[in-house]
Amino acid sequence: EDQVTQSPEALRLQEGESSSLNCSYTVSGLRGLFWYRQDPGKGPEFLFTLYSAGEEKEKERLKATLTKKESFLHITAPKPEDSATYLCAVWGSSNTGKLIFGQGTTLQVKP
Amino acid sequence: GAGVSQSPSNKVTEKGKDVELRCDPISGHTALYWYRQSLGQGLEFLIYFQGNSAPDKSGLPSDRFSAERTGGSVSTLTIQRTQQEDSAVYLCASSLAYGTSDDYGYTFGSGTRLTVV
Repeated sequence: EDQVTQSPEALRLQEGESSSLNCSYTVSGLRGLFWYRQDPGKGPEFLFTLYSAGEEKEKERLKATLTKKESFLHITAPKPEDSATYLCAVWGSSNTGKLIFGQGTTLQVKP
Repeated sequence: GAGVSQSPSNKVTEKGKDVELRCDPISGHTALYWYRQSLGQGLEFLIYFQGNSAPDKSGLPSDRFSAERTGGSVSTLTIQRTQQEDSAVYLCASSLAYGTSDDYGYTFGSGTRLTVV
């Protein structure tokens, strides 16, 4: 059974304090790993898709990396507006097209 | 439309009543998904439609839940005889079929918050 575990559950940072969020996964035949951002009262917003180990993608202060067992979302010099819940999801070859989501990491960046 | 539209945004219903939740996907997106998010929990897969293929209903929690997609576009999620444990945010998402875009990411709607009292 495909599984996704995110850590930590919650993270508090000072503005400018860089850190990383972890997403560990077990999946039969990874077809894609996804990162989403979710603000309170809204649906998740797509950030990145990673397809193979060693792949990296960047967007503003965010950088996502992928290994065969986990993915990291690195946040460089975060700002208060980066505060949100970050969700990781995997798509495995045993699934028709649905994504399996982790529980998320809630990030709070204080000014 | 420009995004995925869900209605209503909020629904309060009495235990035992039936409810219908509506999703309008992005035009041209062939795949449509329903997920459920309970307070403080991750997203739980419910059902997936892809083009004219038979839907993947493997996530529906009981036979009280059903969904249909008409004309390959609008979808309705129906919950019959609602129970208090059905209270959650119901999220709809749509996407292009895999292989037709570089990122194959879902676009989510803002959800319907269902409260069963």
